[in-house]
Amino acid sequence: NAGVTQTPKFRVLKTGQSMTLLCAQDMNHEYMYWYRQDPGMGLRLIHYSVGEGTTAKGEVPDGYNVSRLKKQNFLLGLESAAPSQTSVYFCASSQTRPGPGGYTFGSGTRLTVV
Amino acid sequence: AQSVTQPDIHITVSEGASLELRCNYSYGATPYLFWYVQSPGQGLQLLLKYFSGDTLVQGIKGFEAEFKRSQSSFNLRKPSVHWSDAAEYFCAVGAGNTGTASKLTFGTGTRLQVTL
Repeated sequence: NAGVTQTPKFRVLKTGQSMTLLCAQDMNHEYMYWYRQDPGMGLRLIHYSVGEGTTAKGEVPDGYNVSRLKKQNFLLGLESAAPSQTSVYFCASSQTRPGPGGYTFGSGTRLTVV
Repeated sequence: AQSVTQPDIHITVSEGASLELRCNYSYGATPYLFWYVQSPGQGLQLLLKYFSGDTLVQGIKGFEAEFKRSQSSFNLRKPSVHWSDAAEYFCAVGAGNTGTASKLTFGTGTRLQVTL
């Protein structure tokens, strides 16, 4: 089925470890986003990309890096994981402006940092 | 900066009763407005969206929402709730112009519980 696929679905990390979350979309969307979801805080934008080779910071970018080497993939990296990064991470994609056509979301990655 | 407020953290309704979830937004120009639903352990699914035109928009699963510019609101409604509607609902606002990327700002969500 067409859509947004996130890998992995679950992960437990030790403090200080690194990891990369992969997001892949097959809808030829230009825009891709990484959000984190925490209880009582809704979804907060970490980083986003408006096209292949571009990235930009969102609301809560500290401790994360991203890359968009291919249009269909958007990678989120944690260089040195901290317990504060325990969260559910969602990737989303959307068509180009004008105006968002709404996002298509992945099913999420639940990350626990111990 | 754009922002969204969902004043109700948790709402409980009986099956068959009507539902209204509140959403207030802050944005300087014409916004794009959305409602998403999230079932436990799942991603977010788009219920409906407002861009322009008719201020009453229909969505999937029998939901509708009304855009009221004077009140900066975009409340979600359903005439008769089903047990399967129990989920978390998010309102979101996006820039309504071509000058910025189409980032969405989400509210903190309203968790709906349905009693039988």
